[in-house]
Parts: sequence; C-alpha cells; structure tokens
Amino acid sequence: ILNVEQSPQSLHVQEGDSTNFTCSFPSSNFYALHWYRWETAKSPEALFVMTLNGDEKKKGRISATLNTKEGYSYLYIKGSQPEDSATYLCASSGANNLFFGTGTRLTVIP
Amino acid sequence: DGGITQSPKYLFRKEGQNVTLSCEQNLNHDAMYWYRQDPGQGLRLIYYSQIVNDFQKGDIAEGYSVSREKKESFPLTVTSAQKNPTAFYLCASSTGRYSGANVLTFGAGSRLTVL
Repeated sequence: ILNVEQSPQSLHVQEGDSTNFTCSFPSSNFYALHWYRWETAKSPEALFVMTLNGDEKKKGRISATLNTKEGYSYLYIKGSQPEDSATYLCASSGANNLFFGTGTRLTVIP
Repeated sequence: DGGITQSPKYLFRKEGQNVTLSCEQNLNHDAMYWYRQDPGQGLRLIYYSQIVNDFQKGDIAEGYSVSREKKESFPLTVTSAQKNPTAFYLCASSTGRYSGANVLTFGAGSRLTVL
C-alpha cells in the first residue's frame, strides 16, 4: 500500500486568486499520478494522468506538474472561480493499483 | 449519455443483512472497480474486474463479494461478514485491462448506512 499525502486538507480563496496544492507519494516503483476533481453530489472526474518526470499538463486554468524523483506533484489553479470549488484528489499507482490521497477541499469565495 | 449509473443512491440496512449495490456502465469499458470512502481516508479498492467472469480482490475485500456476468454490470454485495459496512461506495470503470495509467470514470456513488 502506497502512502499518498495531500496538503493542505482544505483551503478557502477569494475569487480571482491563484492557488496550488501538493500531492506527495513514494518515488520508488512509481508508475503514474492521477488528479481528479470531485464536486459535491457529483462523480469524480479525471483532470490529468502523468507518467514522466517533469511532465506538465494543462486544462484551461488548471495545470499540474510532476516530479517523480522527489515524489510530488503540484496542482495549480489560476484565477480561481466559484465553479472550481471541489475536492481535488490525487492518486499514485504501481503497475496494478491506484492509491488515493484524502483530497484537498477548495472553496472559492465570490 | 455514456456513463456509470449506481443505485441506490442511499441505502439503509439492518445489521446481519446482506445488501447489493448496483453499478452499470454503457461506456464499453473492459475494467470495472469498486472503491470505498470513509471520513479522513482516501478511496480504497475493494474489488476490480478486467473481463467478464473474472475479478480480483483489492485491498479491503473481506466481507464483500462481486460478480461480472455482463460487461456492463459489476454489482457489489456487502455481506453480514463486513464488520463496518457504513460508508460511501464508488464504482468506476476504465478502458482496456487494468493498469496504473488508465483514467477512471466514476459513478456518483451509493451511501450505505447500517442501523
């Protein structure tokens, strides 16, 4: 079982602020790193899957980076909007299983 | 619309009763999964299936059973042997056989409460 940690547990930002949060994972036997967004009362939806050290991915105002050597990934949200309010989950995988962190709960205040 | 349907959304069960949670997908995905969420913990894998009539235990399979008689369906039975069944259950699917890089598509979940 991989220990995947996310920080902070929760944060509140003002609309228009940019923010970022962290996912830490064991760097040994790394295979892939996933980010999901989970809005209240909805299904978690995939944001990114990254596999290579140095990977950077972007989807609109959201981007993510990956450092497999030191075992962390950052998720950035530029110019936060109220609709970005959600729990952001990361998961790190070996070849045959995904291990999820507990998530970062983001609240964007209008 | 393609997606995953879980039912029921909320379920109450008396101690000692078995209960079955439904998961149906119309995405033509090969692999399907059941996860459990508890407060303060990450999602934990209960069972997964990569192909019809085959399934594998995840990290917390004790007290649960599954079947995969059709590609579209992967029901989870929470048996009376599960010591702490009150939780939120998520079903997911992915294309191809299971690998750590496959993107998961999730259902909206079922909340089970044992009275």
